Amino acid sequence: QKEVEQNSGPLSVPEGAIASLNCTYSDRGSQSFFWYRQYSGKSPELIMFIYSNGDKEDGRFTAQLNKASQYVSLLIRDSQPSDSATYLCAVNMGGYNKLIFGAGTRLAVHP
Amino acid sequence: DTEVTQTPKHLVMGMTNKKSLKCEQHMGHRAMYWYKQKAKKPPELMFVYSYEKLSINESVPSRFSPECPNSSLLNLHLHALQPEDSALYLCASSQDDLADTGELFFGEGSRLTVL
Repeated sequence: QKEVEQNSGPLSVPEGAIASLNCTYSDRGSQSFFWYRQYSGKSPELIMFIYSNGDKEDGRFTAQLNKASQYVSLLIRDSQPSDSATYLCAVNMGGYNKLIFGAGTRLAVHP
Repeated sequence: DTEVTQTPKHLVMGMTNKKSLKCEQHMGHRAMYWYKQKAKKPPELMFVYSYEKLSINESVPSRFSPECPNSSLLNLHLHALQPEDSALYLCASSQDDLADTGELFFGEGSRLTVL
């Protein structure tokens, strides 16, 4: 079992729709969870982080965490073509600053 | 200044060469990282330095040798690499504890080709 799992996609959504990205993780002791966005040919950049069960909203982005199910998700509302990128789920796995990335989900938002 | 600077941007080396990748940050961050990323794959953690001490080595082959001369600098020494080591090598830095902000600041990477 991989430590952090995501569907690789591509996930294709029309402009203005909600994009839903999912992630599961194996280490039940993990406490902090992150979503990074990576445009082609660029480095990853942080979108959101979440530590507590429930929802966390920031603008058009909502992160959801369910520790009992070991599940993290990212919702992108009013998707724009500029949101087209690979979204990487990352988990701070047990150790100090051991940030492990999932395989990433490629999102394509079409006009 | 929120930059992590990596040099060189591109490096081509033979399997018998010795080379180094360099990384620098001036954000006062106390944790620095090396990740390896192959095409269409996620970043793969290699090493973590915290307060200039190696805190995580993800079972990386000894042909990769990290060094942290001071809190602003991180090097990756390369020797006797294999063609499969060709990849983008990303340096990153963060505040002492990722649990505080969760943010890794990545450099643009050094693209390594091993012939």
